[in-house]
Amino acid sequence: DVKVTQSSRYLVKRTGEKVFLECVQDMDHENMFWYRQDPGLGLRLIYFSYDVKMKEKGDIPEGYSVSREKKERFSLILESASTNQTSMYLCASILQGPSNQPQHFGDGTRLSIL
Amino acid sequence: GNSVTQMEGPVTLSEEAFLTINCTYTATGYPSLFWYVQYPGEGLQLLLKATKADDKGSNKGFEATYRKETTSFHLEKGSVQVSDSAVYFCALTSSGGYQKVTFGTGTKLQVIP
Repeated sequence: DVKVTQSSRYLVKRTGEKVFLECVQDMDHENMFWYRQDPGLGLRLIYFSYDVKMKEKGDIPEGYSVSREKKERFSLILESASTNQTSMYLCASILQGPSNQPQHFGDGTRLSIL
Repeated sequence: GNSVTQMEGPVTLSEEAFLTINCTYTATGYPSLFWYVQYPGEGLQLLLKATKADDKGSNKGFEATYRKETTSFHLEKGSVQVSDSAVYFCALTSSGGYQKVTFGTGTKLQVIP
């Protein structure tokens, strides 16, 4: 079974801090994704990566950056955390190929910015 | 662009009731359609999928049929259990585009004994 592991389940940070969220997958997947999940808005794509050192903006990239130095690891960075970035963050991965495959998700990181 | 619309929640049902969660989509070409489920405190996991018109996906007593003529993929279950309480997301993936997924906003289901 594919395992996607997010480093923290709960995280509390202060406004202005630089925050790192880590995601690791163990199935050699090329594509990895970061989403945020908010009530009534569903999942919104922040950034994705289709290869090491490659990244593409999603629908809501403002205030975020990402890093993919190794194939198995995809990091989300909040450059200067703000209270409106309090949310649930979900990482997902998928093997490159036909579009009929599902994404595999981690359990999420619930981030609170005070 | 692609979009997915699903019925607003929350939905509250008694155990053994019939469940329908409506989902309609807009997409170019021939998307693959998915239902994901999110149990409390967990990430999303695939519940079922369908990859072409008239396909029926099924799993754990849940079913959904890919209806191209009505651009719909409604989720149904004949008899829900308390353990089915979760948030359900309808989603699609189009060919190309790095396998990005377009999600609906989610429908929270609560089943009471």
